[in-house]
Amino acid sequence: EAGVAQSPRYKIIEKRQSVAFWCNPISGHATLYWYQQILGQGPKLLIQFQNNGVVDDSQLPKDRFSAERLKGVDSTLKIQPAKLEDSAVYLCASSLGGHRATNEKLFFGSGTQLSVL
Amino acid sequence: RKEVEQDPGPFNVPEGATVAFNCTYSNSASQSFFWYRQDCRKEPKLLMSVYSSGNEDGRFTAQLNRASQYISLLIRDSKLSDSATYLCVVKNTGNQFYFGTGTSLTVIP
Repeated sequence: EAGVAQSPRYKIIEKRQSVAFWCNPISGHATLYWYQQILGQGPKLLIQFQNNGVVDDSQLPKDRFSAERLKGVDSTLKIQPAKLEDSAVYLCASSLGGHRATNEKLFFGSGTQLSVL
Repeated sequence: RKEVEQDPGPFNVPEGATVAFNCTYSNSASQSFFWYRQDCRKEPKLLMSVYSSGNEDGRFTAQLNRASQYISLLIRDSKLSDSATYLCVVKNTGNQFYFGTGTSLTVIP
C-alpha cells in the first residue's frame, strides 16, 4: 500500500519569498493534516481537513499560511511571505477519518524540510 | 497550557538497561493515546497504541492512567537500535492528534 506522498523533500528560499508544499494522502483516507515541526520540538498541528472541508485551523498563521484540499484528496500548503522563523519540517499526515474513529491512527509522509535564509 | 507534556531528556542508557518515559495530557476528554518513534531526520512512525488496561509489545510496555491523565512507556533490555526520539501523542474526539515535545533516547554500547 502506498504511503503518504510529499514533495518537495527540501526547499531553500529567502525571507519574503513564497513557497508551496504538496501532499497526497493514503488512498481512502478522509482526514488530512499539516504539521510544522521545528528542530527539537514535537510536531505542531497547523490545519486538519475532513475530505475537502477544514475541521481545525486554529493554529495556522492565516496572515501568511494558506492550505487547500479542493477535491478532497491531495492538498497544498503555501507560505507567503516566508519569515526566518518558518524554517522547519512540514509534515503531512492522513488517517481514515471514519465516524467511529476511536481506533484512528496517523500516518506521516517524509516531510518537506524548509530553510528560510 | 500545552495539550501534552513530556520530559525532553536526553536519556543516555547502556545496552540492556530498562528505561521509562512519562507523559501527561491536559484534556480529560482525550480519546486515544499513542507512542510514536522518530528517528533523526525521519518522519514519526507509530510505535504502539496505549490502552487503559496497559499493553505490551515485545520489550515495550505502555500504560495509561486516565484518572491522573498520565501515559508511560517502558523499554526493557534496550538495544542500540532503540536510539530515537519517542513522542507521546493524544487524540481528542475531533480527531486532532497532539504531540509532546518528544523524549530523546541514546542507547550506549
